[in-house]
Amino acid sequence: KAGVTQTPRYLIKTRGQQVTLSCSPISGHRSVSWYQQTPGQGLQFLFEYFSETQRNKGNFPGRFSGRQFSNSRSEMNVSTLELGDSALYLCASSFRDMNTEAFFGQGTRLTVV
Amino acid sequence: AQSVTQPDIHITVSEGASLELRCNYSYGATPYLFWYVQSPGQGLQLLLKYFSGDTLVQGIKGFEAEFKRSQSSFNLRKPSVHWSDAAEYFCAVGDTGNMLTFGGGTRLMVKP
Repeated sequence: KAGVTQTPRYLIKTRGQQVTLSCSPISGHRSVSWYQQTPGQGLQFLFEYFSETQRNKGNFPGRFSGRQFSNSRSEMNVSTLELGDSALYLCASSFRDMNTEAFFGQGTRLTVV
Repeated sequence: AQSVTQPDIHITVSEGASLELRCNYSYGATPYLFWYVQSPGQGLQLLLKYFSGDTLVQGIKGFEAEFKRSQSSFNLRKPSVHWSDAAEYFCAVGDTGNMLTFGGGTRLMVKP
């Protein structure tokens, strides 16, 4: 079956702009989580959606937001981009809870200039 | 709050040698523990996971890990490393829902 698909793979934006990243989970998976990966801070949890509801949220400013649609596809949005938002954004999908495996997409590489 | 520490930022081993990557965690209850591997520019692939039961867990690609509650450790091992194992390895602890807290990662280099 198809894996987790993230689009776009690469993105270059200017400071102050906003950006929307997309994640299509594995068919049948209802949980989608987002992570930010940077060389300085490593992998950090952003938020998790389950059946269109945000179930968990990490320690990120309100400029970072997300949503999940009825087909479990998820988007995350970053407004008023800062240079420090440059990162690899990873999406993970799983069927339900922690005792089921989380499958990661290849990520979206965001560069803010 | 939970946390994960991977003490070794870089490790270099010779091809064919054994490997052990260290992971220490801090978590109040019985943890869900994971090891992931990441190749450059790629996402994360699950190597193995521990939820309960047998403390020695077998994973893919010949990897295994041992959960030691008394030491709060979940070290990853492989008896004989292959050049294709060169990558970055992440230990993680799982919390409610599907929130993972990752360690800082260990970059493995394999000498021919």
